[in-house]
Amino acid sequence: EAGVTQSPTHLIKTRGQQVTLRCSPISGHTSVYWYQQALGLGLQFLLWYDEGEERNRGNFPPRFSGRQFPNYSSELNVNALELEDSALYLCASSFGRYNQPQHFGDGTRLSIL
Amino acid sequence: DQQVKQNSPSLSVQEGRISILNCDYTNSMFDYFLWYKKYPAEGPTFLISISSIKDKNEDGRFTVFLNKSAKHLSLHIVPSQPGDSAVYFCGGAGGTSYGKLTFGQGTILTVHP
Repeated sequence: EAGVTQSPTHLIKTRGQQVTLRCSPISGHTSVYWYQQALGLGLQFLLWYDEGEERNRGNFPPRFSGRQFPNYSSELNVNALELEDSALYLCASSFGRYNQPQHFGDGTRLSIL
Repeated sequence: DQQVKQNSPSLSVQEGRISILNCDYTNSMFDYFLWYKKYPAEGPTFLISISSIKDKNEDGRFTVFLNKSAKHLSLHIVPSQPGDSAVYFCGGAGGTSYGKLTFGQGTILTVHP
């Protein structure tokens, strides 16, 4: 069974640019989650999508947005990049909404110059 | 507001002995808890979960204990193996935070041969 796949693995951008990160969930999983792990910090919840709808959102500004497609894959978009957006962005998926373990991909390392 | 805390940044254990990793939470609405381990340059790997209707869950060498009155959970690894050396994160979810896993800061476990 293929795990959660994320692309690209690494990305370098400059301040003010926009970026799109992609995630394909495990087959059969309908929920997709996005987390940010900045250097020295823990995993911070960004967004949760289920059945194409945004279900929950973490304490991040509106320039962080995303969507989920009919095939349950997802994109995370970050506009007007700032230096502090440099982080590892992790995508996870789960089967169903409640009390199901989230399975993570290996992340996209985003560096802002 | 750190709702999940792992107060020990690191733990060192001899191979074959028991490793006990601890986690405290403050949100009384949490009713689902998970443990993950993470190797460098990889995403977190799901280990074991427990719902609040139980106080213990076992899976092979891993056992998670939940003490709801103390808002405390622990992960026991018996016997510990050098390959268990990694960062361990506990996470909680529930109430209005469904879909949103709130993680602790992690504990670095080192198992010495």
